[in-house]
Amino acid sequence: DSGVTQTPKHLITATGQRVTLRCSPRSGDLSVYWYQQSLDQGLQFLIQYYNGEERAKGNILERFSAQQFPDLHSELNLSSLELGDSALYFCASSPGEGLAGDEQYFGPGTRLTVT
Amino acid sequence: QKEVEQDPGPLSVPEGAIVSLNCTYSNSAFQYFMWYRQYSRKGPELLMYTYSSGNKEDGRFTAQVDKSSKYISLFIRDSQPSDSATYLCAMNSSASKIIFGSGTRLSIRP
Repeated sequence: DSGVTQTPKHLITATGQRVTLRCSPRSGDLSVYWYQQSLDQGLQFLIQYYNGEERAKGNILERFSAQQFPDLHSELNLSSLELGDSALYFCASSPGEGLAGDEQYFGPGTRLTVT
Repeated sequence: QKEVEQDPGPLSVPEGAIVSLNCTYSNSAFQYFMWYRQYSRKGPELLMYTYSSGNKEDGRFTAQVDKSSKYISLFIRDSQPSDSATYLCAMNSSASKIIFGSGTRLSIRP
């Protein structure tokens, strides 16, 4: 158990809908990262927050947004969902602000199915 | 060309064999190298973490980095069926930009 929690475990929704994924980092970790993993794309970095502020952006679509709250939990919002958004969404956390060598620990993931 | 290349496998070996998993990379700025293990439908789990070139051993696992060749390896000795998983290499020069390999699916036959 990495100490990172994610809810829900599974989510099934229809195209065009909006969903929110939630992540709680390990105790003491200040950074939260979101990743998308699909069969054809592998693990893709979406976005990082450090202590409430956006720190780095990866391959995140404009339909997706995230935030980190004062208690350091984070939410990833996915809107106008398309079939291609079906994937595993992982949250990871690390102690520092994302400098080199900062180890990331992954949560169990949320499996999103868009029908 | 991807920054990190990893053979997707699948790789199937008998129990007790030595397993060698590899990744190559193109960015000479990478300094931190990691191996993650991911069981089916679970999150990646950090296995090994090395800085710069050299070897690091942890139990049955040895991570090796050759920066001159831009090549990293993970060796698993005395492989067990419980080692069956997907292994992802990862590397970075800044932790906010970790680049993952596509993963190698490993199966250990009893």
